[in-house]
Amino acid sequence: AQSVTQPDIHITVSEGASLELRCNYSYGATPYLFWYVQSPGQGLQLLLKYFSGDTLVQGIKGFEAEFKRSQSSFNLRKPSVHWSDAAEYFCAVGASGGSYIPTFGRGTSLIVHP
Amino acid sequence: NAGVTQTPKFRVLKTGQSMTLLCAQDMNHEYMYWYRQDPGMGLRLIHYSVGEGTTAKGEVPDGYNVSRLKKQNFLLGLESAAPSQTSVYFCASRPNRRTGDNQPQHFGDGTRLSIL
Repeated sequence: AQSVTQPDIHITVSEGASLELRCNYSYGATPYLFWYVQSPGQGLQLLLKYFSGDTLVQGIKGFEAEFKRSQSSFNLRKPSVHWSDAAEYFCAVGASGGSYIPTFGRGTSLIVHP
Repeated sequence: NAGVTQTPKFRVLKTGQSMTLLCAQDMNHEYMYWYRQDPGMGLRLIHYSVGEGTTAKGEVPDGYNVSRLKKQNFLLGLESAAPSQTSVYFCASRPNRRTGDNQPQHFGDGTRLSIL
């Protein structure tokens, strides 16, 4: 069975500092990996996705993520955080087999200090 | 460019009342999903559908029913609401697998439901 772990429930950073949100997955086949962002009162919006090719993936809003098969990780990064990045971030692994159901991590809440 | 639309956005119910949440998508997606989001629990799948006329149970289906009579609509029903069903409900959709397994889900903005 596939699973996703986001070890950090909350992350606090200062505006302008760099950011890394961790995501570890468990999946037997080639994973399809996603990062979503949820602003307060909103639904989830796709930041970026990985399914093959270059292991460094660029997304919207200046985010990037790196797929590391050996570590079963797909960490999200941003070099300089803006106050508007404060939100909930979800990592998800999609199915490449028979299941149509993606698995989500429990989310990491990002707090940005001015 | 509506995407996924959920109605209503907010609702307060009394224990034992019934209601239906509507999800509509205009992207011709085959797959649709209902999730609930509770603090510290992430997203939990209630029911999903892989096409018109089909539904299946997810992780937490008890107390909910769904219907997919039209491809663009996915309804979530609470027959007898309980305080434990107080939550934020999200609908999502995605294309079918012929377009690739790497397709992400598209989410609505949620329905905030309180059961008193």
